[in-house]
Amino acid sequence: GENVEQHPSTLSVQEGDSAVIKCTYSDSASNYFPWYKQELGKGPQLIIDIRSNVGEKKDQRIAVTLNKTAKHFSLHITETQPEDSAVYFCAASRDQAGTALIFGKGTTLSVSS
Amino acid sequence: GAVVSQHPSRVICKSGTSVKIECRSLDFQATTMFWYRQFPKQSLMLMATSNEGSKATYEQGVEKDKFLINHASLTLSTLTVTSAHPEDSSFYICSANPSGQGTDTQYFGPGTRLTVL
Repeated sequence: GENVEQHPSTLSVQEGDSAVIKCTYSDSASNYFPWYKQELGKGPQLIIDIRSNVGEKKDQRIAVTLNKTAKHFSLHITETQPEDSAVYFCAASRDQAGTALIFGKGTTLSVSS
Repeated sequence: GAVVSQHPSRVICKSGTSVKIECRSLDFQATTMFWYRQFPKQSLMLMATSNEGSKATYEQGVEKDKFLINHASLTLSTLTVTSAHPEDSSFYICSANPSGQGTDTQYFGPGTRLTVL
């Protein structure tokens, strides 16, 4: 089955710096890769996702890149702000309705002002 | 759009009692919903996949008689923790997959904090 590895487990940056979180997956049939942000005591919030028909997707300060050959995808946050501090999870699936997402272990991002 | 609610947000109960948690998709229909459990500082652990009108599919190691799941409509799934014990204390989160899109996009609820005394 699918296995998703996520690095780093913790990441501390200064406000205004960029943050990059990387994930690798094992199932070559996976083609849907969402990223979630989870704040303390709350449910995960979908912030961006990418499907295997594109290599990069951007939404304001957030971007995701995908390398299907190497089976890895990354989340890039530019101009970080203190409110970006949270736990970020990557996930992968075969993008067939009703199938479960496989999650990475999460990255705790701390942005200090 | 794509809002998922959970009720209650927090519950404290005595050992041996049963607790029901509701998960609702507010502005879309969801044939499939998922239930997760999350321990402090850990990732989400999938417990079961809930399909409207059929039996839930449980992950290995999850007791189906202890964690009863009912998905009676396209907007509501319930998780009942039966005969709860302190080790069942956890953060339970549901997610919903919008029907008719043919994708795995999932939207999560805000979670329910269960504490069993």
